Amino acid sequence: DGGITQSPKYLFRKEGQNVTLSCEQNLNHDAMYWYRQDPGQGLRLIYYSQIVNDFQKGDIAEGYSVSREKKESFPLTVTSAQKNPTAFYLCASRPGTGLNTEAFFGQGTRLTVV
Amino acid sequence: AQKVTQAQTEISVVEKEDVTLDCVYETRDTTYYLFWYKQPPSGELVFLIRRNSFDEQNEISGRYSWNFQKSTSSFNFTITASQVVDSAVYFCALRMDSSYKLIFGSGTRLLVRP
Repeated sequence: DGGITQSPKYLFRKEGQNVTLSCEQNLNHDAMYWYRQDPGQGLRLIYYSQIVNDFQKGDIAEGYSVSREKKESFPLTVTSAQKNPTAFYLCASRPGTGLNTEAFFGQGTRLTVV
Repeated sequence: AQKVTQAQTEISVVEKEDVTLDCVYETRDTTYYLFWYKQPPSGELVFLIRRNSFDEQNEISGRYSWNFQKSTSSFNFTITASQVVDSAVYFCALRMDSSYKLIFGSGTRLLVRP
């Protein structure tokens, strides 16, 4: 089945460690996104990528890094510079052609700093 | 500035009641797109509807209906004869034609009690 797969579903990180969240899609979508969700807040954009080997910072990129070496993959690294990383992270993708299309979301990764 | 406001943080209704979720948006762009997503407890965002700024026709899909009014910058969502399975967090979102960025409201948590 086509879709977006995020792994792992739950992730625990010790303070000071980097951790990478996986996002893979087999929808042949050009654009991919990472959002962060905190309780009582909407989704905030971390990074997005319109095509392979290109990505742009969103509203809260500090402490995060991404890569887009393959069309189907857009991993997110939460670095030790991110002071409050505990949150729910959602990956999304969208066809790149035309802006009047909706985004499809993965099931999310819940990251907890211990 | 672009912004989406969902003033209702939580709504609780009894099954079979009708309920309306409010969404007010701000943008100076003349071409833009509005979306509603449902987030069940599993966490994944499920796409419900997309509306472009040139199409003010209201839409009905089963028990769901949407009322788009440019004059008041609102895109409200009504569930008729609510069911327990409708319990979720609902997000309204906005994207301008000039941007790949999807801007979310803070969400409305709907609880439908049996």
